[in-house]
Amino acid sequence: AQKVTQAQTEISVVEKEDVTLDCVYETRDTTYYLFWYKQPPSGELVFLIRRNSFDEQNEISGRYSWNFQKSTSSFNFTITASQVVDSAVYFCALTSLTGGGNKLTFGTGTQLKVEL
Amino acid sequence: GAGVSQSPSNKVTEKGKDVELRCDPISGHTALYWYRQSLGQGLEFLIYFQGNSAPDKSGLPSDRFSAERTGGSVSTLTIQRTQQEDSAVYLCASSFETGSAKNIQYFGAGTRLSVL
Repeated sequence: AQKVTQAQTEISVVEKEDVTLDCVYETRDTTYYLFWYKQPPSGELVFLIRRNSFDEQNEISGRYSWNFQKSTSSFNFTITASQVVDSAVYFCALTSLTGGGNKLTFGTGTQLKVEL
Repeated sequence: GAGVSQSPSNKVTEKGKDVELRCDPISGHTALYWYRQSLGQGLEFLIYFQGNSAPDKSGLPSDRFSAERTGGSVSTLTIQRTQQEDSAVYLCASSFETGSAKNIQYFGAGTRLSVL
């Protein structure tokens, strides 16, 4: 079985602070994919990033960066200089061959509130 | 182009009634997925379509739930004899690649179902 854990239920920060959202995963597969999605109040899940298990390079996209560490089974997401528009629920998710291939296994999400 | 479209956005029904939820995927996407988001259970996979066939129905919670897809495009999720525990947001997603764990799934805004 595979599992994704997002231990932080809710985080509140003041605008311009940096914030890191944690994600820890479990899978027996050697080939798997990790995802982050953002869910704003409108409800639609917005794709942010996909990472495969063979690529441990960290990635930066604007104010967003992701740190993938296989040794600790973690795929953490950092927002630099947070803004009010970043307020949303963020989900980490996993797919793998034996985990059902196409099914996304989601964590429980982290509610991020960015205040002025 | 247009994203995944779901209708209705909100549905209120009485216990015991049947409901139909519709999903219109992104044009050209061959794979379509249904998920359910509820407070107690988080985001759960329901069913996956490749074209008009459903290779994975493992997430459907009971035989009151069924889904079909016609013309490789629009999908309908039907819940018969609704129960209060069926109250949730039903999310649809689609992806371009053929069946694979690497699929990026693009989500609609969901249908919020309330069973009174």
